[in-house]
Amino acid sequence: KNEVEQSPQNLTAQEGEFITINCSYSVGISALHWLQQHPGGGIVSLFMLSSGKKKHGRLIATINIQEKHSSLHITASHPRDSAVYICAVRLIERGYQKVTFGTGTKLQVIP
Amino acid sequence: GAGVSQSPSNKVTEKGKDVELRCDPISGHTALYWYRQSLGQGLEFLIYFQGNSAPDKSGLPSDRFSAERTGGSVSTLTIQRTQQEDSAVYLCASSRGGQNYEQYFGPGTRLTVT
Repeated sequence: KNEVEQSPQNLTAQEGEFITINCSYSVGISALHWLQQHPGGGIVSLFMLSSGKKKHGRLIATINIQEKHSSLHITASHPRDSAVYICAVRLIERGYQKVTFGTGTKLQVIP
Repeated sequence: GAGVSQSPSNKVTEKGKDVELRCDPISGHTALYWYRQSLGQGLEFLIYFQGNSAPDKSGLPSDRFSAERTGGSVSTLTIQRTQQEDSAVYLCASSRGGQNYEQYFGPGTRLTVT
């Protein structure tokens, strides 16, 4: 069983829609990242969270440590938001830092 | 300022050859990470350096893989006797410190083993 589960795996939305991508994890973590990867492109870190909520432009990320759950929201979605969104958690295992990734959510925003 | 850079951007090698991948982190970033993204698969954590030290090498896929970092800056990931299953994009990231700092990713090295 993957320590990090994302849903949905694929998402198609109309331009302007509000989008939510979910990430659940099963272990105690020190931080959670949301990453964005455009087709054929590099990876960009959108957010790093250890508690609460962060906002950057049309993107909002929240985390509930007790429920081991995070959400990434995109308001007023745009075709340029089409990308794979990846949740990653940092945890300490056997005293060493480790990063575990979700399998990603492929988002397509249609004009 | 300059971001994380990696070289080469693409590498095609024959099975059985050794390859060396390089990562130049952002200046002043003490933490450095290596990841792998295989075709059609997710991201996989390989190894983490704090300064020049990598305390845990258990994420490396096999003993053919090794990594080092010198001067708290440049890191190299070496794969000996490459196999076709080593074909992937190898990504490097750096951050200012340890656990609770943003990671900045390099563009990756696409390795193809023929």
